Amino acid sequence: AQKITQTQPGMFVQEKEAVTLDCTYDTSDPSYGLFWYKQPSSGEMIFLIYQGSYDQQNATEGRYSLNFQKARKSANLVISASQLGDSAMYFCAMRGFSGGYQKVTFGIGTKLQVIP
Amino acid sequence: ETGVTQSPTHLIKTRGQQVTLRCSSQSGHNTVSWYQQALGQGPQFIFQYYREEENGRGNFPPRFSGLQFPNYSSELNVNALELDDSALYLCASSGAGVGETQYFGPGTRLLVL
Repeated sequence: AQKITQTQPGMFVQEKEAVTLDCTYDTSDPSYGLFWYKQPSSGEMIFLIYQGSYDQQNATEGRYSLNFQKARKSANLVISASQLGDSAMYFCAMRGFSGGYQKVTFGIGTKLQVIP
Repeated sequence: ETGVTQSPTHLIKTRGQQVTLRCSSQSGHNTVSWYQQALGQGPQFIFQYYREEENGRGNFPPRFSGLQFPNYSSELNVNALELDDSALYLCASSGAGVGETQYFGPGTRLLVL
């Protein structure tokens, strides 16, 4: 079974500072993908960054980086130089195979608020 | 390149009715997944279709069913609506592999009275 845990219901960060959003996962799938999405109050789900289970390097996409520690089963999102527009819900998700089927599991999310 | 579209944007139904939601996948994508997102929750995986066959399913009862068409667009059907079915329904399209990024549509907000 797949499980995603996000333990920070809400986070505050000062504008221009960096912030880390935590995500731990559990799976028995040998191959899986880890994703972070942003969901503003308007509701659309915006892809931010992807990390494959076999990737040796941590993923980076502009101001976003993923701190992937496979042994600890963690995939934390780091946002550098926070902007007011970063205020949103952030979801960690995993896509893998389970019981011969593909399955995708999302965490409950972290609400990030950027303070001017 | 056209993104993922969904219709309708909003819908109001009464308990016991049936509803069909539609999704057009992004060009080049052969896989469509559907999610239910209740207020204040993360998206819950309903099922996934790849080349017109269901190849993934979450913990949803059989009254949630779907179709995928040869052009890779998809429908989600929900029978015997319950009040708890009120949610945002999200569709995502992607390639088939676990490493393929899913791109989401704007969602359909369903209210069951």
